[in-house]
Amino acid sequence: DIQMTQSPSSLSASVGDRVTITCRASQNISNHLNWYQQKPGKAPKLLIYAASNLQSEVPSRFSGSGSGTDFTLTISSLQPEDFASYYCQQGDSPLITFGQGTRLEIK
Amino acid sequence: VELVESGGGVVQPGRSLRLSCEASGFTLSHYEMHWVRQAPGKGLEWVASISYDGRNRDYADSLKGRFTISRDNSQDTLYLQLNSLRAEDTAVYYCARDPGIVGSYYFDSWGQGTPVTVSS
Repeated sequence: DIQMTQSPSSLSASVGDRVTITCRASQNISNHLNWYQQKPGKAPKLLIYAASNLQSEVPSRFSGSGSGTDFTLTISSLQPEDFASYYCQQGDSPLITFGQGTRLEIK
Repeated sequence: VELVESGGGVVQPGRSLRLSCEASGFTLSHYEMHWVRQAPGKGLEWVASISYDGRNRDYADSLKGRFTISRDNSQDTLYLQLNSLRAEDTAVYYCARDPGIVGSYYFDSWGQGTPVTVSS
């Protein structure tokens, strides 16, 4: 299976900060990398697909980049509603795997 | 697009449970579908997938053949049969739709989840 390593596992930041979360795949996955946001008690929500494509209705302060094995999710200016958990997911193999998640907390 | 899971509950170790996911607002038969679970306080874990026509299925290695995914497109419903349940299967189980981009797998719509608790 393809292993996904996400960092950091937790992060404290303030409203207005620029935040970057990284995800590394154990092998080349081209651009088959997706990002989700999850708030407590809720289902995950797709933010970014194919590494850099913004899902419909997702604010433009979210962006993704990378290819091969190294990827990043950037939030350009944190808003109060962005404090949540974030997961990367590889979609290159049918045996899908997620990163372990990043919990983004208010400083 | 709406996905509504049901069938979760409290079950004893070794017993079975069948989860359902009813789809509406789109044509289920056009989409590959998945189950993803999340243990309490833990991350997301992909469980299984099924092709649009039900012919192809994939499972997480960790399940060791205990779970079976199926679908009834005529009823717009996805299923997950859970057998020989263990305490470590305790989780919220989500169904999710795959938009079907060739060569890539991801989830553009999710249900609200159904909780499964395995306990004696």
